[in-house]
Amino acid sequence: DTGVSQNPRHKITKRGQNVTFRCDPISEHNRLYWYRQTLGQGPEFLTYFQNEAQLEKSRLLSDRFSAERPKGSFSTLEIQRTEQGDSAMYLCASSLGGTGEETQYFGPGTRLLVL
Amino acid sequence: LAKTTQPISMDSYEGQEVNITCSHNNIATNDYITWYQQFPSQGPRFIIQGYKTKVTNEVASLFIPADRKSSTLSLPRVSLSDTAVYYCLVPSTDSWGKLQFGAGTQVVVTP
Repeated sequence: DTGVSQNPRHKITKRGQNVTFRCDPISEHNRLYWYRQTLGQGPEFLTYFQNEAQLEKSRLLSDRFSAERPKGSFSTLEIQRTEQGDSAMYLCASSLGGTGEETQYFGPGTRLLVL
Repeated sequence: LAKTTQPISMDSYEGQEVNITCSHNNIATNDYITWYQQFPSQGPRFIIQGYKTKVTNEVASLFIPADRKSSTLSLPRVSLSDTAVYYCLVPSTDSWGKLQFGAGTQVVVTP
């Protein structure tokens, strides 16, 4: 399967702990995106990478959130000092990196539950 | 970003055709219309994309009138496995195609 992969698929943590999620995009895809989705809502954009450069961050991405894509391949999203409000599905997507109408392909997501 | 409006939910029986209409009144000249499908606990899956007139693939058809202020996703002969949330999006073409999801349309197919 050469689609977008995310690990772990599920994460349960206690409030105040740090968590890190990984996303492996489709190979040769230059663009990588992180979204967050809560129950009953559509995904909300968090941040976007073009290769290793983080080009846009949503206001949803508080100081406790950090994302990296060190070599322009996989990406990590870290949440420090988790809060119960961080409980959500975290989705990663990738695209080839051409024009604006290109398709974004999503991974299966990482479901986070903060107790 | 062009804002989209679509029904919150639609019910259908197996074997029927389901048509979901989305309005996007302020769509820009270069914008495309994109539809995604999402099952519970999975990431959204790309279904179809179009610019004008009609686009058809193995999953669905997309009808876009000349003024492009609306579009209709058509799912032929739905089955139970088509029960999902369907999102209509108009990614911006002036930057990197930012996706702004609404709540989508929950389609429920019953026997």
